[in-house]
This record gives sequence, C-alpha cells and structure tokens, in this order.
Amino acid sequence: SYELTQPPSVSVSPGQTARITCSGDALPDQYGYWYQQRPGQAPVLVIYKDTERPSAIPERFSGSNSGTTITLTISGVQAEDEADYYCQSADSSSSSWVFGGGTKLTVL
Amino acid sequence: QVHLVESGGGMVQPGKSLRLSCAASGFPFTTYGIHWVRQAPGKGLEWVAVISHDESKIYYGDSVKGRFSISRDNSKNTVFLQMDSLRTQDTATYYCTTLCTIGATGYFDYWGQGTLVTVSS
Repeated sequence: SYELTQPPSVSVSPGQTARITCSGDALPDQYGYWYQQRPGQAPVLVIYKDTERPSAIPERFSGSNSGTTITLTISGVQAEDEADYYCQSADSSSSSWVFGGGTKLTVL
Repeated sequence: QVHLVESGGGMVQPGKSLRLSCAASGFPFTTYGIHWVRQAPGKGLEWVAVISHDESKIYYGDSVKGRFSISRDNSKNTVFLQMDSLRTQDTATYYCTTLCTIGATGYFDYWGQGTLVTVSS
C-alpha cells in the first residue's frame, strides 16, 4: 500500500525556520496537502495543492514540491506553531487516501 | 455554517460491534461524499472509509476492510459506520470529514469533533 514518510520530530527556536518533509512515490503525480493539529483538536488545513495557502493561514506557512518529496516550511516560527503536522495525498489506483505518520514540531 | 457531529462512540469488548453516526448540516449533503478518519491515542491520522454522495462508490482502508461498513441516509443527512469484529487496535477517535475534491484527490476541509471508541476487555 502507498505510504507517506515524515520525520517524527522537528525542533526549532522561535524566529527560526522549520522545514518538515514528506516523501512518497506518487507525489510527482498527486497533489500533497498539509494539516496542523493541536492537542485535542481536529486537524486544520495549512497548505493545499503542494504550495497553495488558505486565506486564513499566516503567510509564514509555505509549501514546495521537488518530485517525490513535498516540504512544509514555517518561516519565523512562533510558539503557537507548536503542534503536530501531517501530510496527506491519495492513491488513485486503489481509491484510498493516505496520511503521513506526522511530525511533532517543538518550539524551543 | 458547516457542522459535522459524530456520535455512537463508547467502550466495547473485542469481537463486538458498534455503530457510529455522523450528522451533517450547513451544506448540500446529498452532493458530498463523506469520509471517516481515525486517530488512535497519541498516534497519527488514518483514513478509514469513504462513501460517495449517491452511495455508488464505497472504499475502505486495508485495516478495516471486511469488518467495517459505511452507509448513508440522505433523507436524514447522516452517514453511518458499522464496525464489526472490533479489535483493540481499533481504539481511536473517529472523525467524519468532507473532501474538497481536486482532480483525483483533494483535501479534508470540514471535520467533526470526533467520537472516541475504546475496545477493551
């Protein structure tokens, strides 16, 4: 079955740049999406179609795609950005949707 | 305003069954597919199942295939997840969610608050 691979954790100091990667064989052919999830809350979309940002999401959130890897970049990290982040895509051959394992972002 | 409200969670013994409901409002329910996504305590998100707006397309994740069944009642704006032969590994918060379709994929835009299912003897 199709898998998306993320690092379990990323740590940065406030004001620095955090980069979270997500790797998957089908990412060159399917869009990737990113969600932020705070404890006890449902996930919130922060990036769609690899690089697009919903209007309600701060500009410091951005996305990129380099073939089999998509990257979520948070510039000028703030304490409120501490959360779990999940990438998501789909396997059209099996009509299934896939999440990465999640990355815990810690703001030091 | 879109609302998705899950119900039916609780504690159940291994091997038993449970039926979850997802009541929807605030959008044209009969034109939307609905997904279930679950999250085990302290773990990541796992896609469970989807039902298309007209029930013509139904798909399941590998871990629940053959044990779970998704259905909907468009007259009541409700989607159901029938969970049979439950295992301890099915312990999770179950969310219903809508998909904003983009080509063959898309993203989950609206989520319910989730309902907790605990499978334990």
